[in-house]
Amino acid sequence: DSGVTQTPKHLITATGQRVTLRCSPRSGDLSVYWYQQSLDQGLQFLIQYYNGEERAKGNILERFSAQQFPDLHSELNLSSLELGDSALYFCASSVGVGVSTDTQYFGPGTRLTVL
Amino acid sequence: KNEVEQSPQNLTAQEGEFITINCSYSVGISALHWLQQHPGGGIVSLFMLSSGKKKHGRLIATINIQEKHSSLHITASHPRDSAVYICAVGGNTDKLIFGTGTRLQVFP
Repeated sequence: DSGVTQTPKHLITATGQRVTLRCSPRSGDLSVYWYQQSLDQGLQFLIQYYNGEERAKGNILERFSAQQFPDLHSELNLSSLELGDSALYFCASSVGVGVSTDTQYFGPGTRLTVL
Repeated sequence: KNEVEQSPQNLTAQEGEFITINCSYSVGISALHWLQQHPGGGIVSLFMLSSGKKKHGRLIATINIQEKHSSLHITASHPRDSAVYICAVGGNTDKLIFGTGTRLQVFP
């Protein structure tokens, strides 16, 4: 158990809908990262927040947005869903801000299926 | 060409064999991560290294910065080592770039 929690575990929805994925980092970790893992693209970095502020952005679509709240939990919002958004979405957390200095601890993931 | 390449893509081994998984990258990096993804989907960070060699139990990770290459070795492999092993590099952009993974199956 990494100490990172993600809800829900599974989500099935229809095209055009909007969903929210939630992540609670390990106690004491200030950084939260969101990743998407699809069958054809592998793991891709979406976005990072550090202590409530956006820190780094990857291949995140404009239809997707995220935020980190004062209690450090984070939410990833996916809207106008398309079939291609079906994937595993992972959240990870780390103590500090750098991918080059900090081990990341991954949550169990949310499996999103868009029908 | 991907910025992070792993080989082999798939690997099968008999229990007890010595296993090597390779990772080559084409970008400048500050650190390289090895991750393990279990069949259930969970991801565990195994190593983060920027030079030399690290060892944890039966796992050894090495990196050669000049050659832009890293290897993950598993000694005395066991069926519970069956998983996907993913290499990821972190550079100046504060984001990880991932390889496509190596699927390892160890048979008793």
